Amino acid sequence: DMKVTQMPRYLIKRMGENVLLECGQDMSHETMYWYRQDPGLGLQLIYISYDVDSNSEGDIPKGYRVSRKKREHFSLILDSAKTNQTSVYFCASRGLGEQYFGPGTRLTVL
Amino acid sequence: KTQVEQSPQSLVVRQGENCVLQCNYSVTPDNHLRWFKQDTGKGLVSLTVLVDQKDKTSNGRYSATLDKDAKHSTLHITATLLDDTATYICVVGDRGSALGRLHFGAGTQLIVIP
Repeated sequence: DMKVTQMPRYLIKRMGENVLLECGQDMSHETMYWYRQDPGLGLQLIYISYDVDSNSEGDIPKGYRVSRKKREHFSLILDSAKTNQTSVYFCASRGLGEQYFGPGTRLTVL
Repeated sequence: KTQVEQSPQSLVVRQGENCVLQCNYSVTPDNHLRWFKQDTGKGLVSLTVLVDQKDKTSNGRYSATLDKDAKHSTLHITATLLDDTATYICVVGDRGSALGRLHFGAGTQLIVIP
C-alpha cells in the first residue's frame, strides 16, 4: 500500500521562529513535491525534488527552502516564519505517472 | 493566472440526489485530468483519471467525462451519500513538464444533507 507520511500534522509557531516540516515515502519514488493550500486557491507548488540533492523551485519558493538527503525523506524549511506562511502544506511523491499525497500539515504562524 | 476553474464553488444536495461538478482549464499542452476527493482536514484521494481526447470513466457512483478540444471535464456523482461531503478538486497534468507538473483547481465544496 503506497504511503506518504507527514510530520507534524499540526504546528503553531511564532513569527520569526524556524519551522521544519518532514515528509516520508516508502515507495522509492524519485520525484517529490511540496505544495501549500490556501482557502479559495488551488494547491500551489513550492518546490520539486527529482532525487537526492536535486531540487528545483516551483511557483512560490520565496521564504522556503528544502532538503533531500535520502530518497525517502523530503523536508521543507521556513527560516524565520512569517504570518502569511500560515497554511496547510502537502507533500507528494510521484510514481507510475501519478502523484500520491500526504495527509497535510496545518501550520499556524502567530 | 488561474489555469483551472471549477464550478460551482459550493453545492448543497440532499442525500440520494445526483450532482454534476464542472472543470474548465487552459493548461497547454494538456496531458491527463484527474479528479480528487478531499475530506475536511485530510489529503487528496484520487477518484478517477481521464487521458484521451474525448474520454469517459466510471468508478462506482462517480463518473467523469473529458473533452480536450473544449478543455472541459465533468464529474457526476450519482445517489449521493452523506460521506460524499467533501471538496472535489480537478487537476490537470502539464504534458510539457518532464517533472509531472500539475495544475490544481480551487475545488468544489459539496455538502450532502439528510
